[in-house]
Amino acid sequence: QKEVEQDPGPLSVPEGAIVSLNCTYSNSAFQYFMWYRQYSRKGPELLMYTYSSGNKEDGRFTAQVDKSSKYISLFIRDSQPSDSATYLCAMNSGGYQKVTFGTGTKLQVIP
Amino acid sequence: EAGVAQSPRYKIIEKRQSVAFWCNPISGHATLYWYQQILGQGPKLLIQFQNNGVVDDSQLPKDRFSAERLKGVDSTLKIQPAKLEDSAVYLCASSPTDNEQFFGPGTRLTVL
Repeated sequence: QKEVEQDPGPLSVPEGAIVSLNCTYSNSAFQYFMWYRQYSRKGPELLMYTYSSGNKEDGRFTAQVDKSSKYISLFIRDSQPSDSATYLCAMNSGGYQKVTFGTGTKLQVIP
Repeated sequence: EAGVAQSPRYKIIEKRQSVAFWCNPISGHATLYWYQQILGQGPKLLIQFQNNGVVDDSQLPKDRFSAERLKGVDSTLKIQPAKLEDSAVYLCASSPTDNEQFFGPGTRLTVL
């Protein structure tokens, strides 16, 4: 079993839709959770960073962490064609510990 | 603020040849990472430096891969000899803190 599981997609939605991206994990030591966006032929870019359980909102993006279920989500409201990219979840146990990435979900927002 | 710089952006070599990648992190970032990203997968950590010391190289295939960080700033990653399965994007990232990583554009390596 992989430490971090992420549905690879692809996920195709119409412009304006609410998108839900999810990851599950098995390591209960993970406390820091991140979402990265990666455009084609570019490096990943940090979108959201949360610590422990709860919600965090930044504009159209909301990150949700449920440590009891070992489940994290990223919601994108009013999705735009410019949101079309691969979204990677990532997590670690803190300090300078290794960050483990999911395989990424490819999202396409259709105008 | 200038981002993480990497070169070359693309490299094509034949198996058993050697190749080197260069990374210049964001100024002042103490932590530097090299990742390997195979098509359709997430980045896999190869090596992590804190200043010029190695923090984690547990997933670095040390029989063929080597990395160094000169004076705690620039870094090079070398593969010698390359195998077909080394075809991937090699990403460099740097961090001012323990979790917020800034990635470079990557070097796309094709091994024929």
